[in-house]
Amino acid sequence: GENVEQHPSTLSVQEGDSAVIKCTYSDSASNYFPWYKQELGKGPQLIIDIRSNVGEKKDQRIAVTLNKTAKHFSLHITETQPEDSAVYFCAGGAAGNKLTFGGGTRVLVKP
Amino acid sequence: NAGVTQTPKFQVLKTGQSMTLQCAQDMNHEYMSWYRQDPGMGLRLIHYSVGAGITDQGEVPNGYNVSRSTTEDFPLRLLSAAPSQTSVYFCASSYGGANSPLHFGNGTRLTVT
Repeated sequence: GENVEQHPSTLSVQEGDSAVIKCTYSDSASNYFPWYKQELGKGPQLIIDIRSNVGEKKDQRIAVTLNKTAKHFSLHITETQPEDSAVYFCAGGAAGNKLTFGGGTRVLVKP
Repeated sequence: NAGVTQTPKFQVLKTGQSMTLQCAQDMNHEYMSWYRQDPGMGLRLIHYSVGAGITDQGEVPNGYNVSRSTTEDFPLRLLSAAPSQTSVYFCASSYGGANSPLHFGNGTRLTVT
C-alpha cells in the first residue's frame, strides 16, 4: 500500500516569513495529493489539492508543487500570519477510496 | 447545512465495554469514512463506505464494526474496548470518494481505561 512521510514534524517561523512542508510517497500509482489544516479542537479542513497531471498549483498565499519522478510534493506558505499556526497534513491516494496521510507538521508562527 | 456531525465529543470507557460513535452528514455524500488520529501517526483509515449498504475495511479495522443503512449515517462500533483504542476519531464524507475533498467532523476523543 501507499506510504506517505512528512517533514518536518514541527516548524517555527517568524511572522512574514515563508514555511515549507515536504512529503514523499511510495506508490507511483498515486495521483491525488491534498493538504489539510487542522486547528485545535477541530477536524482537518482541505486547503489545497493537486492532481498528478499538473506540477504546481497556487491559491493566494499557499502553493503546492509536485515532482512525480522523485515522488515528492511540498506545501509553501508565504507571508505567514499568526492564523496560519495549526497542524498541517499531506496525503496521497490513487484512484479509489483510500487516502494515506502523513504524520503531520505542527506550524507555529511567532509574531 | 450542518456538514458532518459527530457525537459524543468526549467519551471514557472501561476495558471491555462497547459503544457506538455516531456520524451524520447532510450533504448527500455517497462516500463516508472513519479515521483515528494518534500523535505522530497522522490519520489512519478504519472503515469506509461508498454508499448505503456497502462498507469496506481500511488500514486499521480490527476491533471496529460499521454499517451504512442510510446515506446520512455511518456509525462506528467498538465491540470490546481496549486501551489501544484510546484516540481521537474523525468521520469524513465526500461526494466522489477519497480522491475528492473530504469534509471532516470535529472528532470524538475516546479514552479507554
